Amino acid sequence: DTAVSQTPKYLVTQMGNDKSIKCEQNLGHDTMYWYKQDSKKFLKIMFSYNNKELIINETVPNRFSPKSPDKAHLNLHINSLELGDSAVYFCASSQGLAIDTQYFGPGTRLTVL
Amino acid sequence: GQNIDQPTEMTATEGAIVQINCTYQTSGFNGLFWYQQHAGEAPTFLSYNVLDGLEEKGRFSSFLSRSKGYSYLLLKELQMKDSASYLCAVRDSWGQNFVFGPGTRLSVLP
Repeated sequence: DTAVSQTPKYLVTQMGNDKSIKCEQNLGHDTMYWYKQDSKKFLKIMFSYNNKELIINETVPNRFSPKSPDKAHLNLHINSLELGDSAVYFCASSQGLAIDTQYFGPGTRLTVL
Repeated sequence: GQNIDQPTEMTATEGAIVQINCTYQTSGFNGLFWYQQHAGEAPTFLSYNVLDGLEEKGRFSSFLSRSKGYSYLLLKELQMKDSASYLCAVRDSWGQNFVFGPGTRLSVLP
């Protein structure tokens, strides 16, 4: 009964490669998010999607692009990976734009060599 | 600007009570959240405050003062499994921008 799932859990790759992280939620939520948590444990929001429209886009490099094929999925594509992209990436979802909280996926640990 | 402050680390004894403070300065305010994150795991929701006052949920309570830009999370009857990081997060007035604090790493000792 996984609510928010991400694949892969671990991703090790070389600089310059292009990679994708997939996220799926079975909660019927309207909004999905991507967060980056760096080595200092700061959690920063990267993207938010509501009904397949990008709501907010924090100042992340355009090498990062979210893609939402449907309401239940929000995938993260990263082009030309850099060392500084190494972090744990969390997907999350919430219902609507009101007071509801977010449910996080298990995270994907990305290591760029 | 957006700024959220929390103590970096705290230590408490099993069975005791601990209060984790959070102060915030954000461009807008539409709710304050507390999350628990065990090492290597995803954050999980603990509590939500949007009005001033205390919200109680079992052993956990959270307090908010909007005029002071201040919140605290109170953990009672501490258990070893409460050893984790506790993240304070503020949702801004636009509703979808969450700003997280640096987290407080709590160690519960026997």
